Amino acid sequence: NAGVTQTPKFQVLKTGQSMTLQCAQDMNHNSMYWYRQDPGMGLRLIYYSASEGTTDKGEVPNGYNVSRLNKREFSLRLESAAPSQTSVYFCASSGGGADRELNYGYTFGSGTRLTVV
Amino acid sequence: GQQLNQSPQSMFIQEGEDVSMNCTSSSIFNTWLWYKQDPGEGPVLLIALYKAGELTSNGRLTAQFGITRKDSFLNISASIPSDVGIYFCAGRGGSNYKLTFGKGTLLTVNP
Repeated sequence: NAGVTQTPKFQVLKTGQSMTLQCAQDMNHNSMYWYRQDPGMGLRLIYYSASEGTTDKGEVPNGYNVSRLNKREFSLRLESAAPSQTSVYFCASSGGGADRELNYGYTFGSGTRLTVV
Repeated sequence: GQQLNQSPQSMFIQEGEDVSMNCTSSSIFNTWLWYKQDPGEGPVLLIALYKAGELTSNGRLTAQFGITRKDSFLNISASIPSDVGIYFCAGRGGSNYKLTFGKGTLLTVNP
């Protein structure tokens, strides 16, 4: 199983450029999440999608937009990148059946390392 | 919102030593989970706890769901170099399916 796949793995952007981070899961999970990880800050939730067709803001949504394209895919867009958005971005998914770990445990992708110069 | 206090922030130990880390919250949680993040990778679920007082083991790892439902502990026995990484606690409260994460404990093991 591929689990959660994120693309690209690395990206360098100039200030003001836009880009979309892609995420896809093959576990039939209902919920998907975007986090950013910065040194000393842990994992901070940017946006999440409880189910196909819904999206909600997390802890740090400013400067980002998301699209839940279908049940499998959840993309994160930076419209005008800023140096403060230099970070490692993780996509995660959860919730797929009666198994409690599937419902409550998140499966994470391997991350996108973004640098904005 | 709910917050988790995870400690210590970092640990530097010798191979073979035991390790203990914990998370506390001002809110009650119904589920506690512990994740490990290897360098350059995403977090991976190690142990999940669903009941107050529950003690669960996974190899050299043991985790407990605190009786007050406001804390959890993770112990690693006889550490080895591949234990290096960041360990995160996470909790779920009420009917909210979203997890709240601690800020992580960075573990370094000296061979």
